[in-house]
Amino acid sequence: DAKTTQPPSMDCAEGRAANLPCNHSTISGNEYVYWYRQIHSQGPQYIIHGLKNNETNEMASLIITEDRKSSTLILPHATLRDTAVYYCIVNSLMIKAAGNKLTFGGGTRVLVKP
Amino acid sequence: GAVVSQHPSRVICKSGTSVKIECRSLDFQATTMFWYRQFPKQSLMLMATSNEGSKATYEQGVEKDKFLINHASLTLSTLTVTSAHPEDSSFYICSASSTGYDGYTFGSGTRLTVV
Repeated sequence: DAKTTQPPSMDCAEGRAANLPCNHSTISGNEYVYWYRQIHSQGPQYIIHGLKNNETNEMASLIITEDRKSSTLILPHATLRDTAVYYCIVNSLMIKAAGNKLTFGGGTRVLVKP
Repeated sequence: GAVVSQHPSRVICKSGTSVKIECRSLDFQATTMFWYRQFPKQSLMLMATSNEGSKATYEQGVEKDKFLINHASLTLSTLTVTSAHPEDSSFYICSASSTGYDGYTFGSGTRLTVV
């Protein structure tokens, strides 16, 4: 059970911000929100994760609502190389314990257009 | 950052033969490794979880005698597809995590084609 809901696809314009929504209404208190992306025929690439505070790194920003039932991944200036499938995953805080597995849902297929 | 190397990147084999895929953590000790399978235009499906030095835990519907997993060291796990059939053709991806690392790192995947 992926426990997240994402739109199956979205287009965005090159150079503009891309906002990718994710619903995780059943998230529990010890679960993080993780975002990964998969460019065609490659392994998934880690983007960012957070618990309840907004997070930013060199790739993206993660905005988590106060009730933690949804989040938005923001790619500030989308490029053609950002075309990929983006996966939002919730996973327990106990990630540092052996064996806690990541379960992938359908993800959002993002197409960045010139 | 953490790096996971997966080899080979693509392989073609004949029906009935076995194929081994290697997954190595290059700069950290992977206490747990995961193996996924991905069919075209579908999401990743977890096949099994392996902890170093112990038997792998397989997801429901995955045949453990067909997909042999070995995790003999903290830096290496292997997946052997035994007696491969064309329906085993898929993209296989490994992932590694560590008790000292706050995340999962994925290999680049192996495209298996059984002819």
